[in-house]
Amino acid sequence: RKEVEQDPGPFNVPEGATVAFNCTYSNSASQSFFWYRQDCRKEPKLLMSVYSSGNEDGRFTAQLNRASQYISLLIRDSKLSDSATYLCAVNRGSTLGRLYFGRGTQLTVWP
Amino acid sequence: EAQVTQNPRYLITVTGKKLTVTCSQNMNHEYMSWYRQDPGLGLRQIYYSMNVEVTDKGDVPEGYKVSRKEKRNFPLILESPSPNQTSLYFCASSLHGSGYEQYFGPGTRLTVT
Repeated sequence: RKEVEQDPGPFNVPEGATVAFNCTYSNSASQSFFWYRQDCRKEPKLLMSVYSSGNEDGRFTAQLNRASQYISLLIRDSKLSDSATYLCAVNRGSTLGRLYFGRGTQLTVWP
Repeated sequence: EAQVTQNPRYLITVTGKKLTVTCSQNMNHEYMSWYRQDPGLGLRQIYYSMNVEVTDKGDVPEGYKVSRKEKRNFPLILESPSPNQTSLYFCASSLHGSGYEQYFGPGTRLTVT
């Protein structure tokens, strides 16, 4: 079983829409969770870390569900500039050096 | 400017010809790692280093070597490249480990013919 599973999409939504991505992880000892954004084969950049209590940054909300072993990213009021690939990343608690990425979910926001 | 640099950015080579991709960071980060990205497979970790002279295998280390002789540099060595190593490679660094924000280099697109 893969460490991290992510629906690759693509998701095509109109401007202003709300869209949600999920990412499941297999190791219950995982400690750190992240969402990265990657534009068209450029380098990934951190969008936000995911905390146990959930966290919000403007239009973006990240949630962690340890019981079901998934993290989610909610984007409200989508903008054209949100078009990108979103990658979830999880580290494995017992081996803090390893970091696992999902395959990425492609989002296109159309006018 | 805080950054991770990689060289070369693009490389076309032939099977079996040894090559090195350099990676350097100027943020005094302890942790550095290499990833490859392939369509449909996402980012996969090749090797990582928790500090100078400390390296360990990631998910897909076969066919690659690394060394960490200085804190700022973490070169990736392909001793005998093969076509299945054609990929987009990213170097990344973070302050202490995989539980911290990863700062990625711009990527190296490698083609092995």
